[in-house]
Amino acid sequence: GENVEQHPSTLSVQEGDSAVIKCTYSDSASNYFPWYKQELGKRPQLIIDIRSNVGEKKDQRIAVTLNKTAKHFSLHITETQPEDSAVYFCAASKYNFNKFYFGSGTKLNVKP
Amino acid sequence: DGGITQSPKYLFRKEGQNVTLSCEQNLNHDAMYWYRQDPGQGLRLIYYSQIVNDFQKGDIAEGYSVSREKKESFPLTVTSAQKNPTAFYLCASSIEGQGNQPQHFGDGTRLSIL
Repeated sequence: GENVEQHPSTLSVQEGDSAVIKCTYSDSASNYFPWYKQELGKRPQLIIDIRSNVGEKKDQRIAVTLNKTAKHFSLHITETQPEDSAVYFCAASKYNFNKFYFGSGTKLNVKP
Repeated sequence: DGGITQSPKYLFRKEGQNVTLSCEQNLNHDAMYWYRQDPGQGLRLIYYSQIVNDFQKGDIAEGYSVSREKKESFPLTVTSAQKNPTAFYLCASSIEGQGNQPQHFGDGTRLSIL
């Protein structure tokens, strides 16, 4: 089955700096990679996703890159703000398969 | 998302008791999922359902049971066989259970043992 590893487990940055979170996956057939943000005690919320037919996707300060050959994808947050502080999860799944495999999460702390 | 409602928000279970967590969605989604989240951990899949009257075990199904009698509803029962039920339980749904559409989550139920 699929195995998704996420690093780092915690990340502390200064406000205005960039943050990068990386995930690797094991199943080369995986083709859909969402990222979720979870604030303390709340539901995970989708912030960006990417499908395997593209290598990069951007949405304002957030971007995701995908390297299918190396089987890794990364979340990039630029100009970080204190409200970006949360736990971020990556996930992987494949078409015609019902399971999502989640990484273990990265706790991002943006210091004012 | 406002379209997925989990209840109760907090639940306490006594030894030997079964408890049921409710999950209702009005998004007309076909697929529904239950996850368990332990402190500082990722999400682990308990059960999922792609269609009414059908469901499959996830990675940690032991001690849990589900039903899918209606498209909108996917209740999870934590049985007395689940010896360590204390966790945050998240219900999710997606448009198609094909693994290529995002999942939308409820607000969760926090279960503790009395």
